Amino acid sequence: NAGVTQTPKFRVLKTGQSMTLLCAQDMNHEYMYWYRQDPGMGLRLIHYSVGEGTTAKGEVPDGYNVSRLKKQNFLLGLESAAPSQTSVYFCASSYRGASAKNIQYFGAGTRLSVL
Amino acid sequence: ELKVEQNPLFLSMQEGKNYTIYCNYSTTSDRLYWYRQDPGKSLESLFVLLSNGAVKQEGRLMASLDTKARLSTLHITAAVHDLSATYFCAVDPTGTASKLTFGTGTRLQVTL
Repeated sequence: NAGVTQTPKFRVLKTGQSMTLLCAQDMNHEYMYWYRQDPGMGLRLIHYSVGEGTTAKGEVPDGYNVSRLKKQNFLLGLESAAPSQTSVYFCASSYRGASAKNIQYFGAGTRLSVL
Repeated sequence: ELKVEQNPLFLSMQEGKNYTIYCNYSTTSDRLYWYRQDPGKSLESLFVLLSNGAVKQEGRLMASLDTKARLSTLHITAAVHDLSATYFCAVDPTGTASKLTFGTGTRLQVTL
């Protein structure tokens, strides 16, 4: 059972470089999310998507862009990386609705360092 | 702005002892989640609390929710080393498991 898969697992960038993080889920979930986790802090929502072709801003969207061209994939882009974007990035997915069993499932994370 | 505060932020406890982690939040919400994260790993869902007075138990962990007090607790009974991890609560004001707001986490260290 693959669940939520993130690639790459680790990456080191220089300031100003760009990159894309890929998230793929095989659970047919409608909703997908990108979070960042910094030391001593909880997860903060960057962007999320409630369906194919739709995205929305979360709590800390600046400096990031996202796309959801296919239901199973959610891409997070950094156009010009900054040291402040050094963090661990988590992708998550969930079904739509208020079902009692509706929880967010998380990927293993991408550890990004920007020098 | 929704604020979710956990305390303590760090907890060192001996095996066999009991302790409680607290999660306070600032806005109305009938749904709260507890997650566990092992070092360098992803988040694993522990409990979903869906209404006022909800109580869930799994092994040595028991979670409860008081929506009127805007408070959830995670109680640890007779701690064992395997429970060492960081525990996060997350509030879901929309009730749809979307746009969760996470607490800062409580790092639990269980010593022999």
